Amino acid sequence: KAGVTQTPRYLIKTRGQQVTLSCSPISGHRSVSWYQQTPGQGLQFLFEYFSETQRNKGNFPGRFSGRQFSNSRSEMNVSTLELGDSALYLCASTSEPGPSEKLFFGSGTQLSVL
Amino acid sequence: SQQGEEDPQALSIQEGENATMNCSYKTSINNLQWYRQNSGRGLVHLILIRSNEREKHSGRLRVTLDTSKKSSSLLITASRAADTASYFCATALLQGAQKLVFGQGTRLTINP
Repeated sequence: KAGVTQTPRYLIKTRGQQVTLSCSPISGHRSVSWYQQTPGQGLQFLFEYFSETQRNKGNFPGRFSGRQFSNSRSEMNVSTLELGDSALYLCASTSEPGPSEKLFFGSGTQLSVL
Repeated sequence: SQQGEEDPQALSIQEGENATMNCSYKTSINNLQWYRQNSGRGLVHLILIRSNEREKHSGRLRVTLDTSKKSSSLLITASRAADTASYFCATALLQGAQKLVFGQGTRLTINP
């Protein structure tokens, strides 16, 4: 069974640009969560999608958005990039949302904003 | 602020020794999970312990949970070089949004 796939693996952008990151969950998984990881703030929850609906959202500005498609694949978008958006963005999937579900993570997209 | 706080932030030991990492949290939880992350990669789930459990084992891993102290510990016995990684605790809150809240992690280095 293929794992969670995130593309691209690395991305370099400049301030003011926008970026779209992609996540393909494990086959059969319908819940996708996104996390931002930085050395200073650690892992911060961005949002969670299930059956194309956003179920939870973290404390991030509106520049951060996401969506989920009918095949459970998910994308997140960051508009008007700032230097502080440089981070490792991790996607995780589970079969069903819930507190007892363990997360399966992708390898992440390393975003550098110059 | 983070729900989970881990201690120590970094730990360096010799191969074959045991490694203990601690996690404290603030609010009531449904369960607590431990994850491992190799440098620059995704996290890998290690073990889940529910709020009504006190101890759990998986191979060389032993996790304890003390809900009265709001703390958990992860013990890795007979450490190996391949155990070098960052270890995170994550709490599933009893109330509120159903998402995992991660601690800042412990960076473990196993010296050969």
